[in-house]
Amino acid sequence: QQQVKQSPQSLIVQKGGISIINCAYENTAFDYFPWYQQFPGKGPALLIAIRPDVSEKKEGRFTISFNKSAKQFSLHIMDSQPGDSATYFCAAPRSGNTGKLIFGQGTTLQVKP
Amino acid sequence: DVKVTQSSRYLVKRTGEKVFLECVQDMDHENMFWYRQDPGLGLRLIYFSYDVKMKEKGDIPEGYSVSREKKERFSLILESASTNQTSMYLCASSLLGARTEAFFGQGTRLTVV
Repeated sequence: QQQVKQSPQSLIVQKGGISIINCAYENTAFDYFPWYQQFPGKGPALLIAIRPDVSEKKEGRFTISFNKSAKQFSLHIMDSQPGDSATYFCAAPRSGNTGKLIFGQGTTLQVKP
Repeated sequence: DVKVTQSSRYLVKRTGEKVFLECVQDMDHENMFWYRQDPGLGLRLIYFSYDVKMKEKGDIPEGYSVSREKKERFSLILESASTNQTSMYLCASSLLGARTEAFFGQGTRLTVV
């Protein structure tokens, strides 16, 4: 119940296209779903996060869609750019109020010019 | 600019050596974490600390130990390095709480030969 399953493992998109990364979870007690972005040679950094009381959150070209009944959430990158090429991780909070996260397996996105 | 700093970007150690990975944060965060990053496996939690001298095992603590003598510093120790500990190691810190942002260091690429 503490797992977060992320897909696909890798993704290649043409410049201007839409990149979609999916995550599924089992624990219905999860109440916070962040996405982290990691560029080569850098540590991950928070990109965008959503709480399950809303179905969608948008920040610029990045949108999280949340489907509570299906226990899934997705990251959509509109008008994908080569500078978006990175590894993306979804996450959810572990039990307790500590700040520990459980991460998905990661998706390596390559946006071709 | 907030920072989590890891002492080394790259390390090469021999099998059986005792290895120290150091991490310092300047944000006065209560939480500090050590993760291991391997392709296809995401970020796996090795150890977590929510206060000085306090530590909790994560998902893969075997072969590792940690030390937190000061709030800003969290050390990961490989008691006797083995080749299967070759990996990217990431340190992170965050405020105490369920939905707080984690700030990551740049990572240490450890190779055990």
